[in-house]
Amino acid sequence: QVQLVQSGAEVKKPGASVKVSCKASGYTFTSYGISWVRQAPGQGLEWMGWISAYNGNTNYAQKLQGRVTMTTDTSTSTAYMELRSLRSDDTAVYYCARSKNYFDYWGQGTLVTVSS
Amino acid sequence: QVVLTQSPSASASLGASVKLTCTLSSGHSTYGIAWHQQQPEKAPRYLMKVNSDGSLNKGDGIPDRFSGSSSGTERYLTISSLQSDDEADYYCQAWGALVVFGGGTKLTVL
Repeated sequence: QVQLVQSGAEVKKPGASVKVSCKASGYTFTSYGISWVRQAPGQGLEWMGWISAYNGNTNYAQKLQGRVTMTTDTSTSTAYMELRSLRSDDTAVYYCARSKNYFDYWGQGTLVTVSS
Repeated sequence: QVVLTQSPSASASLGASVKLTCTLSSGHSTYGIAWHQQQPEKAPRYLMKVNSDGSLNKGDGIPDRFSGSSSGTERYLTISSLQSDDEADYYCQAWGALVVFGGGTKLTVL
């Protein structure tokens, strides 16, 4: 069965970086993309961007351009999302999701807390 | 850029049916959307894709109580025989050059 398993919770100081992983199993990794979505406390879902696991092409949300980098490691079927220059309003649960256009499987989420 | 509009809240009684609506912005009537359910403190779960012609692509294990339909710029999610664990936030999602989500509808089962 398809599974996306994310890395554990992180606590970071303002200005630091965080890298979240998402290990895929149960399907051919390179046949789909991976999107990243975040959810601030009590808020809705915010799309952050997408990466093709086939060729590494990316498409980032404009508001995160320059601060976010998405990568994949096809040898381990793992996707990564790195967010730099963290601010308090980056505190959120971060999700990966398998995607071609729509998202049909989601990871369990990773809480990233940004606090001094 | 497509915009998706959802009512913030809805409610219905246990065992009843409810129809949730996702409205696409003008000029985007050919777009399909996906519905996702997020139960409290859980990750979202994909329910189904609803195409503009009303055809569906349901997620694995999604009960028949969940169905979708389409009319013009509106996409619907109907849940019948409501159960207590249907109480959740429901988000619609569209895609084009970018991905967008609706604001979500909080469903309360009375």
